[in-house]
Amino acid sequence: NAGVTQTPKFRILKIGQSMTLQCTQDMNHNYMYWYRQDPGMGLKLIYYSVGAGITDKGEVPNGYNVSRSTTEDFPLRLELAAPSQTSVYFCASSYFAGGPYNEQFFGPGTRLTVL
Amino acid sequence: SQELEQSPQSLIVQEGKNLTINCTSSKTLYGLYWYKQKYGEGLIFLMMLQKGGEEKSHEKITAKLDEKKQQSSLHITASQPSHAGIYLCGADGDGWGKLQFGAGTQVVVTP
Repeated sequence: NAGVTQTPKFRILKIGQSMTLQCTQDMNHNYMYWYRQDPGMGLKLIYYSVGAGITDKGEVPNGYNVSRSTTEDFPLRLELAAPSQTSVYFCASSYFAGGPYNEQFFGPGTRLTVL
Repeated sequence: SQELEQSPQSLIVQEGKNLTINCTSSKTLYGLYWYKQKYGEGLIFLMMLQKGGEEKSHEKITAKLDEKKQQSSLHITASQPSHAGIYLCGADGDGWGKLQFGAGTQVVVTP
């Protein structure tokens, strides 16, 4: 199993450009999450999904959109990139939502810089 | 939202010495997760605590959750270079896996 994969690993965007961060998991997990991590800070939840076709906002959703058409994929879309979106983005997935078996598996991250 | 405060922010420990990291929540924790992160990499799950007073160990790492479920500690015994990295605590506020994280504790292990 590859686990959770993310592409690209690095990206530099100009202000106002758009891009999609890709996330794929091969563990048949229902729950998927997008977090961002700013320097010296903890991770903040952007969006999450409880299954194909079902998504909801997390703590910091502004400036982002998601879709989940399949169990495996959970892309994150940035529209009109701003310098405040410079961050490291992590995708995660889990089989259960909560409880003692909710180990979230994280991808390696995408490092995004907006100039 | 739930605030998680980790202390210390960073620490340097000599190889073979013990270390403790604390994580304090502003609210009662539904579940408390400990992860480890190496620079430029994703997070690796260490353990999860749910019950007040619970304690779990894996190899040389022990985590505890206090009875009131508002504070957790992570203790590493006889630290090794492989223990170097950033340790993050995460809280599940409602049982749906929407984790909120502390800012992390950077651990450096010196020879």
